[in-house]
Amino acid sequence: DAGVIQSPRHEVTEMGQEVTLRCKPISGHNSLFWYRQTMMRGLELLIYFNNNVPIDDSGMPEDRFSAKMPNASFSTLKIQPSEPRDSAVYFCAIKGGNEQFFGPGTRLTVL
Amino acid sequence: GEDVEQSLFLSVREGDSSVINCTYTDSSSTYLYWYKQEPGAGLQLLTYIFSNMDMKQDQRLTVLLNKKDKHLSLRIADTQTGDSAIYFCAVPRDDKIIFGKGTRLHILP
Repeated sequence: DAGVIQSPRHEVTEMGQEVTLRCKPISGHNSLFWYRQTMMRGLELLIYFNNNVPIDDSGMPEDRFSAKMPNASFSTLKIQPSEPRDSAVYFCAIKGGNEQFFGPGTRLTVL
Repeated sequence: GEDVEQSLFLSVREGDSSVINCTYTDSSSTYLYWYKQEPGAGLQLLTYIFSNMDMKQDQRLTVLLNKKDKHLSLRIADTQTGDSAIYFCAVPRDDKIIFGKGTRLHILP
C-alpha cells in the first residue's frame, strides 16, 4: 500500500450528494486503475489510464461516474449524484513492472 | 474476453492445508498471479507462476498450474490465523489484470 495514497479512507454521504475520491501515487506512474469492490460483485475494474489518458472506461457503471488523471501523480473518481448502490470500497492501483500495486481503498457509504 | 472463476468461500481448520482453486479462459498469458487481500487493506501480490511451469513452491505456498485444463491452484500448508484473507486469482491481459472475485479464507480454531 505504501506506493499509493487514497483519500479519504472512509466517506459517508447522503444520496444525491457529490463524492470525490482521490488517488496519489507516491512516485508518478503512467498507468493507473480504479476498481470497485463489493460483496455481491467482487472486484470490478471501472477505468484505467495510460500516460494520463483514459484507455478503457467500459467498467464505469453510468454517466454519474467520471474519472480524471490530470498528471502522473494524481487522479480523481467522482460520483454525482451518489446513490446507495454505489456503496463499496474503491481502490486505486498503479502498474509497476508486471504487477499492480493497490492503495488501501476508500470505503464509501451512501445513505 | 478473459474470465477468471474461483469459489467465494473456504473454511479450514488451523494447522490443516488450504487449497484455493481457480479456472481461467485465456491461455496466452506468460504468467498467472495470486493476490492476497487482508482485512481493511488493498490487494498485494502473493506469488506468481510462469505459464511454462507446472509447480512453484515458496515456503508454505505451493502453486500448481494445469495449462491443459486451464486450472490454477494455491495450497497453503499449515494454515495459520494470519492466513485469514481474501485470495484472488489473476491473469494479465493486455495492459490490464483480470481478477477473479476472490476466495475468502476462514480459519477455524
